[in-house]
Amino acid sequence: AQKITQTQPGMFVQEKEAVTLDCTYDTSDPSYGLFWYKQPSSGEMIFLIYQGSYDQQNATEGRYSLNFQKARKSANLVISASQLGDSAMYFCAMSLSNAGNNRKLIWGLGTSLAVNP
Amino acid sequence: GAGVSQTPSNKVTEKGKYVELRCDPISGHTALYWYRQSLGQGPEFLIYFQGTGAADDSGLPNDRFFAVRPEGSVSTLKIQRTERGDSAVYLCASSYRGGVSYEQYFGPGTRLTVT
Repeated sequence: AQKITQTQPGMFVQEKEAVTLDCTYDTSDPSYGLFWYKQPSSGEMIFLIYQGSYDQQNATEGRYSLNFQKARKSANLVISASQLGDSAMYFCAMSLSNAGNNRKLIWGLGTSLAVNP
Repeated sequence: GAGVSQTPSNKVTEKGKYVELRCDPISGHTALYWYRQSLGQGPEFLIYFQGTGAADDSGLPNDRFFAVRPEGSVSTLKIQRTERGDSAVYLCASSYRGGVSYEQYFGPGTRLTVT
């Protein structure tokens, strides 16, 4: 069965420092995608970054990068130069790519990040 | 352009009543997903539409839940005989069929409270 595990319920980081949010996944399918979403207190789910299972390089999007270690089945999110506006819940999610166009997401429990001034 | 919209933003209903939650996806997005997010949890998949048809309804918890998308655009999630355990935020997402990541764009959600 497919599963996403986020073991850090809460994290603190000082403004302008980098922080790593952990995510491990479990699937026996060779083709899958990994996503990170941000959910501020307002509730909307904001897409941050995507990594495909066959991608050779780690994904980067501005201050976000994904540390993809396929053998360890981990997809950690790294946020560089943290800002106060980064305080939010962060969710790791996975979709399978062998189900046609169905890309339903399987989600972790999330990590609450607080950025301190 | 306009994002995914959901109405109402909040719905309070009494146990046993019927509710309808509406989702208006991004224009041109053929895929539409419904998720349910209980307090302190990650979202859980409910149902997936490709066009007008429900291609995957494996996440619907029981037969009190039903969803339609009659014209391949707006979708309505219907819940009969609501129970207190149905209280959650219901999220709708749409995506463009194609592209590398099939990234899903989410609406603001409908917070359902069953009293």
